[in-house]
Amino acid sequence: EAGVAQSPRYKIIEKRQSVAFWCNPISGHATLYWYQQILGQGPKLLIQFQNNGVVDDSQLPKDRFSAERLKGVDSTLKIQPAKLEDSAVYLCASSSNVPGTGTYEQYFGPGTRLTVT
Amino acid sequence: DAKTTQPNSMESNEEEPVHLPCNHSTISGTDYIHWYRQLPSQGPEYVIHGLTSNVNNRMASLAIAEDRKSSTLILHRATLRDAAVYYCILRDVNFGNEKLTFGTGTRLTIIP
Repeated sequence: EAGVAQSPRYKIIEKRQSVAFWCNPISGHATLYWYQQILGQGPKLLIQFQNNGVVDDSQLPKDRFSAERLKGVDSTLKIQPAKLEDSAVYLCASSSNVPGTGTYEQYFGPGTRLTVT
Repeated sequence: DAKTTQPNSMESNEEEPVHLPCNHSTISGTDYIHWYRQLPSQGPEYVIHGLTSNVNNRMASLAIAEDRKSSTLILHRATLRDAAVYYCILRDVNFGNEKLTFGTGTRLTIIP
């Protein structure tokens, strides 16, 4: 079974530039997540999609971050304009959760390491 | 989500058992206990989860205290590939949006 794919793996940009990350979840997984992981910290959820609808984006800085999941499969996360504090690893995950049972797992991609200079 | 407390770091010798503790004194009756680990330069991976009873799988065992205020992840025979950050996470089965709230975890170092 193919895992969660992400690209690019690394990206270096200057502050105020824009950047986009792409994620392809495991086939058939309805739920997709984007996390931000700052060095030395655990991942923090930015946005969660169920199919192509947003379930939770409470921690997404909406003035500069946007995400979409067209057709309920692939997803892109965009930052425009980037700030120095956006330097982090951006992780995509997917799951085929059974709501209300707690018996599910999230599968994570390798992440995209973003450096903003 | 209820909070968990884990030691920042632990060391263990290769081929010996490892017991990783997690305190969750404010756990509610509908919270599942999940463990994930993150190997260097990789995304987190699921290890195990449980509700009340002890659980075993091919990767590890999960021992849950009778009052559910603490749990222990047990790696029966640590290898160098088990060196990772281990996260203990509580998830409310009734919460609805299935998100995981990660803390800073325990960094496990395996000594050859």
